[in-house]
Amino acid sequence: DQQVKQNSPSLSVQEGRISILNCDYTNSMFDYFLWYKKYPAEGPTFLISISSIKDKNEDGRFTVFLNKSAKHLSLHIVPSQPGDSAVYFCAASGGYALNFGKGTSLLVTP
Amino acid sequence: DAGVTQSPTHLIKTRGQQVTLRCSPKSGHDTVSWYQQALGQGPQFIFQYYEEEERQRGNFPDRFSGHQFPNYSSELNVNALLLGDSALYLCASSLTGANVLTFGAGSRLTVL
Repeated sequence: DQQVKQNSPSLSVQEGRISILNCDYTNSMFDYFLWYKKYPAEGPTFLISISSIKDKNEDGRFTVFLNKSAKHLSLHIVPSQPGDSAVYFCAASGGYALNFGKGTSLLVTP
Repeated sequence: DAGVTQSPTHLIKTRGQQVTLRCSPKSGHDTVSWYQQALGQGPQFIFQYYEEEERQRGNFPDRFSGHQFPNYSSELNVNALLLGDSALYLCASSLTGANVLTFGAGSRLTVL
């Protein structure tokens, strides 16, 4: 039973443009949400997070938006750079475990 | 400052065998979690250890067991290996109470 869903397996964006990655969740008890980035042959690296009491969090080029009523969050990357090409995982915290989506593979082309 | 280190990086086993994976947490972290990432999937929570006790367990059979040592390092043991156990096994550490986990590069297990 997938409680966190990333419905776009892949996304291609031109360098300099905005990348928008989406994530939906089903469990209303989740109270903290995170985005991780993963390069091949490396472990996931923490990118940005947001608490359920907020609706937006910014860190440089990365912004995460949370819509609790829709159980939806998104990650915006502006401007996108070729080095951002990686797999992005959305995760939701419930208890001690993180619940991950299947990931979205982002390709930023020059 | 070393992050989370895992060993071995790759290993091949046959069905029915047993495997032990090892993890050293990031310096200053006291909590270790294990995740299984199958091909094309996101990481799935196996269990978390804190103060040498299993604190929470995911939906994995008893063939999966673990241990945490006084120095906070941890082992994941899988008995009676099945073909479906082939995956990347990720160890993550954190300071207890923190939501953000630091992951290692993983141990790639292939079961033939």
